[in-house]
Amino acid sequence: GENVEQHPSTLSVQEGDSAVIKCTYSDSASNYFPWYKQELGKRPQLIIDIRSNVGEKKDQRIAVTLNKTAKHFSLHITETQPEDSAVYFCAASRYKYIFGTGTRLKVLA
Amino acid sequence: DAGVIQSPRHEVTEMGQEVTLRCKPISGHNSLFWYRQTMMRGLELLIYFNNNVPIDDSGMPEDRFSAKMPNASFSTLKIQPSEPRDSAVYFCASSSTTVTDTQYFGPGTRLTVL
Repeated sequence: GENVEQHPSTLSVQEGDSAVIKCTYSDSASNYFPWYKQELGKRPQLIIDIRSNVGEKKDQRIAVTLNKTAKHFSLHITETQPEDSAVYFCAASRYKYIFGTGTRLKVLA
Repeated sequence: DAGVIQSPRHEVTEMGQEVTLRCKPISGHNSLFWYRQTMMRGLELLIYFNNNVPIDDSGMPEDRFSAKMPNASFSTLKIQPSEPRDSAVYFCASSSTTVTDTQYFGPGTRLTVL
């Protein structure tokens, strides 16, 4: 069946450094790739998304890249801040979301 | 906009009891999703509805789970009888038109089955 692999499972960075989270999907027909941030005890919230006809999208300190040939997509966070600490989920969607297993990001002050 | 509304926010029940979780999607959204989140299994899609019709229930773990959407503004997820392994956070999400649109999550219901 369809699946999404997400790496790393945990990531610690110093404040101000960059963080990169990578996902690989199996369904080549996937055409929508959202990223969600989930703080402890809260709901997942969309932070950025990309569609299959776009290779890169940026929103302030956050960017997502998509390589359809390799079926890879990545989240890049620059100038990390303590409030970026959370669990991040990627997803790939054709007609329903398939979520990755999550990355726990810790930004050390 | 009030966002997706779920109730109750917390539910503690005993094994064997019936549990009903409720969800009100964002007004105007045509797709509704029920997810279960646990440490071991992550975020799992249980079932989704489009225009009140169940489209894919392949994620429903077993016959003890059932979901309904009697109208565009209300859905329920029922577990009968409940078991300790059903303990999890259950999220409802909705999206505007198609399943490839952004899904907006509700606050979740934390279910504990003793």
